[in-house]
Amino acid sequence: AQKVTQAQTEISVVEKEDVTLDCVYETRDTTYYLFWYKQPPSGELVFLIRRNSFDEQNEISGRYSWNFQKSTSSFNFTITASQVVDSAVYFCALSEAFGNEKLTFGTGTRLTIIP
Amino acid sequence: DTGVSQDPRHKITKRGQNVTFRCDPISEHNRLYWYRQTLGQGPEFLTYFQNEAQLEKSRLLSDRFSAERPKGSFSTLEIQRTEQGDSAMYLCASSASGATYEQYFGPGTRLTVT
Repeated sequence: AQKVTQAQTEISVVEKEDVTLDCVYETRDTTYYLFWYKQPPSGELVFLIRRNSFDEQNEISGRYSWNFQKSTSSFNFTITASQVVDSAVYFCALSEAFGNEKLTFGTGTRLTIIP
Repeated sequence: DTGVSQDPRHKITKRGQNVTFRCDPISEHNRLYWYRQTLGQGPEFLTYFQNEAQLEKSRLLSDRFSAERPKGSFSTLEIQRTEQGDSAMYLCASSASGATYEQYFGPGTRLTVT
C-alpha cells in the first residue's frame, strides 16, 4: 500500500525567510510519480510539480525548489524568500505509474507567512 | 480552457436526504476522479472513470454512494440517505491519459449534513 507522511502539521515563518516542507513516502512500486499541490484559503487544489521515480534531479522554478532523494524516500519542497501569498496548505502526493494513477495524499502542512 | 467546474459549491442537507453533485472536467480529458476531503486531512480517493467506464471504487465508497459519467463527459456523484459522517468537501479532478499526467482539481462541493 502507498503512504505519504507530512510530519509538519503547521509552520509559521516571517516573510522573506526560506522554508522547507518535508514529505516522506512509502510504496512497493519501482515506478511511481510524486506531486506537490497547494491549497490556498479559497480551497481549490493547485498543481505545483510532478516528478517520476526515475528522475532524481532537483528542480527549481522561481522561488520554489524540490529535492527528491530516493534513498531516503523523501520529496521535500523549499520556498525561498517566502511571501505572504505563499500562505496555504501544501500537500505531497504519490501515484502509481500504471493503472488508474489515483493520488495518495499526505495530511498536508499549513504554512503561514507572517508579514 | 475553463478548468474543472463543480456544482453546487455548497450544499446543506438534513440527515436521510439524498444529494447529487456534478463535475464538468476539462474538455478532452478522458480521466475523471472523485476525492473526499475532511477537515485537516488530505483528499482521499473515492472513484475513477476512464471515459464512461467506472474502473475503480474505493472501499470508502459505501453502497449509499453512486457515481456516473454518461457519454464520458460530465460526472455525477449521488449520496443516498446522507449521514452526518458524509459531511466533507467532495473534489473532482480530471486528467488526460498518456504523457500529460497531472490531475487538475475543481473548486469542490462542500457538503454539510445536519
